[in-house]
Amino acid sequence: AAGVIQSPRHLIKEKRETATLKCYPIPRHDTVYWYQQGPGQDPQFLISFYEKMQSDKGSIPDRFSAQQFSDYHSELNMSSLELGDSALYFCASSTIRRATYVADTQYFGPGTRLTVL
Amino acid sequence: DAKTTQPPSMDCAEGRAANLPCNHSTISGNEYVYWYRQIHSQGPQYIIHGLKNNETNEMASLIITEDRKSSTLILPHATLRDTAVYYCIARKAAGNKLTFGGGTRVLVKP
Repeated sequence: AAGVIQSPRHLIKEKRETATLKCYPIPRHDTVYWYQQGPGQDPQFLISFYEKMQSDKGSIPDRFSAQQFSDYHSELNMSSLELGDSALYFCASSTIRRATYVADTQYFGPGTRLTVL
Repeated sequence: DAKTTQPPSMDCAEGRAANLPCNHSTISGNEYVYWYRQIHSQGPQYIIHGLKNNETNEMASLIITEDRKSSTLILPHATLRDTAVYYCIARKAAGNKLTFGGGTRVLVKP
């Protein structure tokens, strides 16, 4: 079965540079979620989108922005990178039951490992 | 979302059943219990979820107490590939995000 695709899988950047991470959800999934996992930490929710609109927001720095496109893929843009941004970034996708707006099970991608030097 | 409490670590023997407990004493009626696992730096993998009734799939069984204050994930025949961090998460039916906390680091030994 098709899974969530994330690109790139690895990214190395210098401080103060920008980075763009991409997420392609499972076919027919309309909701995407972004999570950040620092070294030795648990995944933390950043932001989510449903039908191209932001649906929830977590502890996402102001230097980060994200959007969802008409084909449901999403991009996480990170500017003025700091050493502390080095982490694994996971994207997950799900469907939403339109009658109740309840999210179904989230399925995660393999992640992008961002290293800021 | 309700807070969940899990033991930080546990060992189990290969081929034996692994029983992973989770306490969620403040869970509300519309919160589901989800289980995910994360095998070293891979994306979290969905295992199973339930609301009130016990659930079983090809990976595991989920036993939820009648008062819903705790649950147990059962891996029927643990293999070395089941070594991972297992997360028990309470998620509101209308909520979207997953709140990961702590988890249980399971080590399956030969």
